[in-house]
Amino acid sequence: SQELEQSPQSLIVQEGKNLTINCTSSKTLYGLYWYKQKYGEGLIFLMMLQKGGEEKSHEKITAKLDEKKQQSSLHITASQPSHAGIYLCGAGTGTASKLTFGTGTRLQVTL
Amino acid sequence: DAGITQSPRHKVTETGTPVTLRCHQTENHRYMYWYRQDPGHGLRLIHYSYGVKDTDKGEVSDGYSVSRSKTEDFLLTLESATSSQTSVYFCAISPALAGVVDTQYFGPGTRLTVL
Repeated sequence: SQELEQSPQSLIVQEGKNLTINCTSSKTLYGLYWYKQKYGEGLIFLMMLQKGGEEKSHEKITAKLDEKKQQSSLHITASQPSHAGIYLCGAGTGTASKLTFGTGTRLQVTL
Repeated sequence: DAGITQSPRHKVTETGTPVTLRCHQTENHRYMYWYRQDPGHGLRLIHYSYGVKDTDKGEVSDGYSVSRSKTEDFLLTLESATSSQTSVYFCAISPALAGVVDTQYFGPGTRLTVL
């Protein structure tokens, strides 16, 4: 079965600093999805990447897909307290319409 | 936000009792999913549905059953709750076409505690 490994598992950054979260797949990626989860709440869809080399941005968050490396990165520029939460990557399994998820990266932003 | 609600939002029950969680959508999406989220395990798929009365198992389906009698509702039943089923349960929906991966949108979750 496909496994997604996220790194780091947790991250504490000072407000205004940049950060990167990585998601590496054990198998070929069929679409890569990034979600954000605030503590005690549901997952909020951020963006989807489908093609190797694809890059998407939303406000100060940029995600890239390196299909050859079976890896995606999520970069936050000038972090803010509102960016705090758990970031999860999900990937298509190539079977039906199912996703498998990483275990998440917990981000804290200090003032 | 996708129109997806879950009920109840919180539930405490005793071992051995049956429990049913409800997921309701207003988006008319074909696919619906039930996940559980536990520390150290992330999100794991329990069951999913690809249409009315069409369901299939996920990776952690033992002890759970599902039903979908209407497009908008997907029910998850714990036939006889155990403490290992204490978790946060999420429902998700997707506009995916048959066999194609597409974005999943998640509900707010149900926190279930089995004593």
